[in-house]
Amino acid sequence: EDQVTQSPEALRLQEGESSSLNCSYTVSGLRGLFWYRQDPGKGPEFLFTLYSAGEEKEKERLKATLTKKESFLHITAPKPEDSATYLCAVVRAYQLIWGAGTKLIIKP
Amino acid sequence: SQTIHQWPATLVQPVGSPLSLECTVEGTSNPNLYWYRQAAGRGLQLLFYSVGIGQISSEVPQNLSASRPQDRQFILSSKKLLLSDSGFYLCAWSVRGANEQFFGPGTRLTVL
Repeated sequence: EDQVTQSPEALRLQEGESSSLNCSYTVSGLRGLFWYRQDPGKGPEFLFTLYSAGEEKEKERLKATLTKKESFLHITAPKPEDSATYLCAVVRAYQLIWGAGTKLIIKP
Repeated sequence: SQTIHQWPATLVQPVGSPLSLECTVEGTSNPNLYWYRQAAGRGLQLLFYSVGIGQISSEVPQNLSASRPQDRQFILSSKKLLLSDSGFYLCAWSVRGANEQFFGPGTRLTVL
C-alpha cells in the first residue's frame, strides 16, 4: 500500500539550532515528492518539488533532499518565524498521498 | 499571478442543515481543482477532484457532493450535515498535466 510517514510528529528547537525532518514513502515509481509549509488555520504553502534520488532544492534556511526511500527537510539556523507544520506528499496517479506532518516549534 | 479564494473562512452550522462552500481561482484557465478535508493531526484527505466543467470524481463515499459550474469555480455541498462533517476544508488547484497543487486559505466548519 502506498504510504507516506513523517517523523517526528513534533520538534522543538532553540533559535539557531539546526535539524532535519524526515519523510519516508512507499510508492511504486515515484513521480514527484512535495514539501509544503502550513501555518495554523491556513492552507498549505508550496515549498519544493523533488523528482529523482540525489536531487536537492533550497529556499532560504530550508533544503530538501531525496533518496529512493525518503526525503529530508533540513533547517539551518532556524528562526521563530520558521515555526509551522511541514507536510510531505508524493504523487500517485492523479492525486497526492499526504503525510500527517511535522509540527516545528522554534523558541527564541 | 494566480489567486485562489475560498469562502466563508469559518462556518458554524447545526446538524441536518445544508452546506455550500465556494472556491474560485483567478489568473489561470482549465485548472484541475480539488477539495480536501484536514482533520487535526492527520494528513489531507482528498474528497473530490475535477479536470473540467461538470467533471467530478469522488474519492470518499460520504455525505458531501461537489460541482463545477464554471471553469474556475468549484463548490462543495451537502444536503444534511452530520457531526462528522466538522473539519478544515481546503480547495486547491493545479495546472493541467502538472502535479504541484496550490491551496486556498481554507474554511473551518463546525457542525453542532
